[in-house]
Amino acid sequence: AQSVTQLDSQVPVFEEAPVELRCNYSSSVSVYLFWYVQYPNQGLQLLLKYLSGSTLVKGINGFEAEFNKSQTSFHLRKPSVHISDTAEYFCAVKSGGSYIPTFGRGTSLIVHP
Amino acid sequence: SQTIHQWPATLVQPVGSPLSLECTVEGTSNPNLYWYRQAAGRGLQLLFYSVGIGQISSEVPQNLSASRPQDRQFILSSKKLLLSDSGFYLCAVNRDGNTEAFFGQGTRLTVV
Repeated sequence: AQSVTQLDSQVPVFEEAPVELRCNYSSSVSVYLFWYVQYPNQGLQLLLKYLSGSTLVKGINGFEAEFNKSQTSFHLRKPSVHISDTAEYFCAVKSGGSYIPTFGRGTSLIVHP
Repeated sequence: SQTIHQWPATLVQPVGSPLSLECTVEGTSNPNLYWYRQAAGRGLQLLFYSVGIGQISSEVPQNLSASRPQDRQFILSSKKLLLSDSGFYLCAVNRDGNTEAFFGQGTRLTVV
């Protein structure tokens, strides 16, 4: 079975500050990992994904994430956030043998001016 | 690349009324299709998924049902809506051998 835990339901931060959104997963087999962003009343948009290879993955909008197998984590980072980054962020895991991605409960990133 | 159409974008329905939400996909064939619900302040809950025409798997018992009458059409229905059916409904698609899921723009359902 696969599962995802997003440790923070809400992360407030000031504009131009760095941010890290935490994600831990559990799976008994190899995994694919994803971060999605959701703006109000919209669907989810893929930010980045880890399939294999380099553990540091770069995505859109200046975000990056690092896959840490020993800690079963896939934390999302951005060195300097903008007001426009205010949104809900979802971490997801998909095991190699599963059709279905499993999503975390989401982290609301709130960027203050 | 694939495009996912969901309609309507918003819907207000009285308790006890029927529901039909439609999702259609363009630009791919034989997709895996999913219905998720996102309640206020909560994460994504998988409701149904389908790996082929007429094949529906339900993840949670509930007041809703799903059907896949065509390869790229996925319908979410209810005979009688409950207040607890309110939420944001998202259709998603991926392909066997692919990895990430792609999402439609969602339908905001309010049951009054």
